[in-house]
Amino acid sequence: KAGVTQTPRYLIKTRGQQVTLSCSPISGHRSVSWYQQTPGQGLQFLFEYFSETQRNKGNFPGRFSGRQFSNSRSEMNVSTLELGDSALYLCASSLGDSYTEAFFGQGTRLTVV
Amino acid sequence: ELKVEQNPLFLSMQEGKNYTIYCNYSTTSDRLYWYRQDPGKSLESLFVLLSNGAVKQEGRLMASLDTKARLSTLHITAAVHDLSATYFCAVTTFFGNEKLTFGTGTRLTIIP
Repeated sequence: KAGVTQTPRYLIKTRGQQVTLSCSPISGHRSVSWYQQTPGQGLQFLFEYFSETQRNKGNFPGRFSGRQFSNSRSEMNVSTLELGDSALYLCASSLGDSYTEAFFGQGTRLTVV
Repeated sequence: ELKVEQNPLFLSMQEGKNYTIYCNYSTTSDRLYWYRQDPGKSLESLFVLLSNGAVKQEGRLMASLDTKARLSTLHITAAVHDLSATYFCAVTTFFGNEKLTFGTGTRLTIIP
């Protein structure tokens, strides 16, 4: 059974640019969540998509956005990159109903220079 | 706002010893997870605890949940070097909510 796949694994971008990250969930999973992990702030929830709709949102500025496609694949976009956006971005997939596990992808390491 | 606290933040222990990591959370939760993360890697799911008094064990790790005390523990028995990693607990706040609020993590180092 294939796991959660995130692409690309590593990215280096310049301040002011934008970036798009991709996440393919486990087959049959309808919920995709995104998290940012930094040494200073730890793991923070960005947003969750379920059946192409944003169902939950964390406390991040509007520069962070996402979407989900009909095949449950999700993309996350960050515009006008700042140095502080450098982080490991993790996506998690789950069935989306209660009491199910969330499985994480390998993450995308974004470095903003 | 839901807050999740773990302690200790850092734990260095000798092989063969037992120790416990604590996870406290501030509001009612319907699910508690324990994850493991190796350096530069993703999160590996260890346990999902769903009800008061739940206890789960896998190898040298055992997790328990006391929803009345809003406390979960991860107990390590006879530690081995392979258990060196950072351990996170995470909770959700209500039925159907997939948002995980994570603790700060406990960096565990097992010394031979």
